[in-house]
Parts: sequence; C-alpha cells; structure tokens
Amino acid sequence: SQKIEQNSEALNIQEGKTATLTCNYTNYSPAYLQWYRQDPGRGPVFLLLIRENEKEKRKERLKVTFDTTLKQSLFHITASQPADSATYLCALPSDRGSTLGRLYFGRGTQLTVWP
Amino acid sequence: EPEVTQTPSHQVTQMGQEVILRCVPISNHLYFYWYRQILGQKVEFLVSFYNNEISEKSEIFDDQFSVERPDGSNFTLKIRSTKLEDSAMYFCASRRDHTDTQYFGPGTRLTVL
Repeated sequence: SQKIEQNSEALNIQEGKTATLTCNYTNYSPAYLQWYRQDPGRGPVFLLLIRENEKEKRKERLKVTFDTTLKQSLFHITASQPADSATYLCALPSDRGSTLGRLYFGRGTQLTVWP
Repeated sequence: EPEVTQTPSHQVTQMGQEVILRCVPISNHLYFYWYRQILGQKVEFLVSFYNNEISEKSEIFDDQFSVERPDGSNFTLKIRSTKLEDSAMYFCASRRDHTDTQYFGPGTRLTVL
C-alpha cells in the first residue's frame, strides 16, 4: 500500500497570490501521480497527471512538480481566485506494475482564497 | 463533454436493508471503479471491474458488497445488508483503456439509519 501525506489540512491565501500544496508519499515511487479537486458534497474532478519522468507539468494557472528523490509533488495555483477555493486531493496508483488503476488518495488540503 | 452519472444522489435506508447504487460510466471506457468517502475522511478504493469481472477489491469490499454490469451502460454496487458504518458518499469512476486518468461521478450519499 501507499501512505500519502498532504500538508496542513487548511490553507488560506489572499486572492492573486500563489497557493502551493504539498503531497508526500512514503513507500514505493509511483509511475505517475494525479491531482484532483473536490468541492463539498461532490466527486473528485481530475486536474493534472504527472509521470515519473516529467519534472513539471502545466495547465493554465496550474503547475505540478514531481520529485521522486524527495518522494514529493508540489501543486501550485498562480494568480489564485476565490473560485479556486476547494479541497485538493493527491492520488497515487497502487504500485508500479499495476495496470488495474486502484488509486490511493491523501486526505486533501482545503484551500480558501479570500478577496 | 461526457460525464459519469450516478443515481440516486441521496439514498436513505434502514439498517439491514439492501441498497443498489447505480452508475453510468463514460461510454467508451472499459475500467470501472467504486470508491467511498466517509464524512471528513479520505476517498477509499472499494473495487475495480474490467472485462465483466472484478479485477481488484479492497478489504472493505466484503461479502456484503457486490458489483454488476447488467447491460452495456450501467454499473451497479449492491450492499446486501446495510450497517450504520456504511453511511458515506459512494463514487463511481471510469477510465479508458491505455490511459491512467479516472473520471469520477458526482456521488451517491448513503445514509443508514
């Protein structure tokens, strides 16, 4: 199995600033890592996937890094907006060899962006 | 854009009753999953399904649980005799072959009284 830790349960930042969320894992290094957004009472919404051979990936205001040496992924939201307020989940596959797709999730970081 | 759909959005049942949660995965997806999330806790894997059979299940998925793909579009999760601790959000997810991204439905909130 995989143990996943996401930094502080809650992160509060001012609109326009960059939010940085951390995901650390402790066991095997996964072939990829995913970030999801979850709003209250809703299902996770896929944001980005980064593979072990990719150092960085971007999508609009989102950026993800993946450091297999540190066993860590950082998720950045630049020019944050109140609409970015949500819980962000880090998810890893069950093991390197599996093609079945079971995901392990972190507890998430609740981001609040205030005007 | 195609989405995973789930019905009902909220199900209330008495302890010991059977419930069936329904999902319609994205149409060209081949891998199907059920996850659950107890209030305030993390999303937990229950079961994966491929080629009309269970491919992996967690320790949570005991004999009280079963899954079925009764036709070409629906994917169901049955809980035979519900317990209070089964109260949670249940999410269905699906993914295409040769990809890694899972797309989740909006969830069914199950409340067991």
